[in-house]
Amino acid sequence: TQLLEQSPQFLSIQEGENLTVYCNSSSVFSSLQWYRQEPGEGPVLLVTVVTGGEVKKLKRLTFQFGDARKDSSLHITAAQPGDTGLYLCAGDNTGNQFYFGTGTSLTVIP
Amino acid sequence: DAGITQSPRHKVTETGTPVTLRCHQTENHRYMYWYRQDPGHGLRLIHYSYGVKDTDKGEVSDGYSVSRSKTEDFLLTLESATSSQTSVYFCAITPSGTGVYGYTFGSGTRLTVV
Repeated sequence: TQLLEQSPQFLSIQEGENLTVYCNSSSVFSSLQWYRQEPGEGPVLLVTVVTGGEVKKLKRLTFQFGDARKDSSLHITAAQPGDTGLYLCAGDNTGNQFYFGTGTSLTVIP
Repeated sequence: DAGITQSPRHKVTETGTPVTLRCHQTENHRYMYWYRQDPGHGLRLIHYSYGVKDTDKGEVSDGYSVSRSKTEDFLLTLESATSSQTSVYFCAITPSGTGVYGYTFGSGTRLTVV
């Protein structure tokens, strides 16, 4: 049973397009994080959200935590080839360990 | 500037042999974790440590053991490797058990059991 479901699983878009990736759960999380992973490397933390309804921006990336703290979204504006990678969400609902979604593999075509 | 290193980066081993993977950190973080990453399953927690000699099981701990005798080192041992343990293994660290700081991951160890 996957605690965190991500959608879509795969996404291939043209450079300059916008996209949104979703992370959903039936569980409430005290915090939720987004990571990006490139081939052959470990995931790298992009952002942590802790408050329901919170919105954080990181250049062209906008992260939102749902009001009920059960879901989150990542929106990328004007995607660039450098955004290509595996995007992972991770939630903390029990303390001491995080649960990861299965990821969204994004390819941005020049 | 890597504060966390994993060794080896790649390993091929035979079924039934013991294997130890090492995670070393220079950040003095209290919490250390071992995850495995497999297609279709994402990252799954094997074991974690919340201090020297303090460890606990994750969701996929069968067939694995860990040890932490120093703050900076966290070892993962496959007692008798099986083909189902072929995977990419990641170590992660964080200063607190809460989610506020997120994880810092190592670059991974690709293990193949033949």
